[in-house]
Amino acid sequence: EVQLVESGGGLVQPGGSLRLSCAASGFTFTSYAMSWVRQAPGKGLEWVSSITGRGASTYYADSVKGRFTISRDNSKNTLYLQMNSLRAEDMAVYYCAKADSSAVTATLGYWGQGTLVTVSS
Amino acid sequence: EIVLTQSPATLSLSPGERATLSCRASQSVSSYVAWYQQKLGQAPRLLIYDASNRATGIPARFSGSGSGTDFTLTISSLEPEDFAVYYCQQRSNWPPITFGQGTRLEIK
Repeated sequence: EVQLVESGGGLVQPGGSLRLSCAASGFTFTSYAMSWVRQAPGKGLEWVSSITGRGASTYYADSVKGRFTISRDNSKNTLYLQMNSLRAEDMAVYYCAKADSSAVTATLGYWGQGTLVTVSS
Repeated sequence: EIVLTQSPATLSLSPGERATLSCRASQSVSSYVAWYQQKLGQAPRLLIYDASNRATGIPARFSGSGSGTDFTLTISSLEPEDFAVYYCQQRSNWPPITFGQGTRLEIK
């Protein structure tokens, strides 16, 4: 059974940093691209970033480019999102999602339960 | 960036009725559209991929159709557990992945 468990969310001041983690199990982690998608309170879904299976290629939404870094540790079956220079508009539930293949363009077939990031002074 | 516009924003129906949700793309996305269901406080769940393919474990009352710029999610006979928010998503012109703004399906 595929399981994705996010952690690392919390309260951070504007301008601060946070690192999210997503522990994956139930599938061969290195064979699948992974993504982060966020949802601001009461709003819709917004893609944030994606990474290929071996981590060679990464992609970012314009809204986070230069501030967020996606990475993965395939030896630990864990996906990360390093978030720097956080802004009020970054406040959201952050979901990690598994692509249905090694291609970053594949459908997001499984999602974790999300972790809440609150940006406030 | 491809913009997806979902209609209606809110759909009020009764259990047993048929639901038809629409998603229109600002340019052709071929058949690279997925539909997700999200219940309050839960993560999105994949229902349909590549416009018309049901994901594993999804009941047959859910069906998807369309290609190019116009897509439809149909729920043939609503069950109480189907009342939720539904999002369409395209992966044709990537990055970025884009989502529609959602359709809220509520009990009438």
